[in-house]
Amino acid sequence: GAGVSQTPSNKVTEKGKYVELRCDPISGHTALYWYRQSLGQGPEFLIYFQGTGAADDSGLPNDRFFAVRPEGSVSTLKIQRTERGDSAVYLCASSLTLGTGITDTQYFGPGTRLTVL
Amino acid sequence: GDSVTQMEGPVTLSEEAFLTINCTYTATGYPSLFWYVQYPGEGLQLLLKATKADDKGSNKGFEATYRKETTSFHLEKGSVQVSDSAVYFCALILDGNQFYFGTGTSLTVIP
Repeated sequence: GAGVSQTPSNKVTEKGKYVELRCDPISGHTALYWYRQSLGQGPEFLIYFQGTGAADDSGLPNDRFFAVRPEGSVSTLKIQRTERGDSAVYLCASSLTLGTGITDTQYFGPGTRLTVL
Repeated sequence: GDSVTQMEGPVTLSEEAFLTINCTYTATGYPSLFWYVQYPGEGLQLLLKATKADDKGSNKGFEATYRKETTSFHLEKGSVQVSDSAVYFCALILDGNQFYFGTGTSLTVIP
């Protein structure tokens, strides 16, 4: 079946602008994650959804970052007043949730490369 | 806090050479350990995983053994191929549902 998809694949914006990044998880996966990967680094956790609710948003760097998942499927990561330091690849992943609340293997999308000029 | 430290790259090997990429972890509990691979132009893919001490994960000729005594999960392959050229990430997951990733090790295999 289809994997995790993310759009756009590339986004160039100017400092101060607002951007939205979209993630379509694998059908049936209730858990969804956002990560940020800076050049030469591993992915860093941003936020995790279980269904429609954000179960853990401890990785969001500040209040300019916000994510939603209104129907428990597609998620949008929103960044307000973008800064040059926000430039990175934003990765989305999804997984099944096992009965105990523990999630199974995370499957990653190809990422959105955000460049803030 | 919880973290993963992996061998810095880049690593360049000749085809059929033996590969080891070191990974050690720090965790307050008993994590599950993973190796992910990122081929050029593609997303992260799970390579292998181990969920408890002494477990060995294996896939595509790669192996890694969960060593609690040395807090390590080193990745090995006996004979690398050009198609193994990629960036490899060690990661752990603990009680929560977020991964802690290492910084990645770039591998280039030359014919």
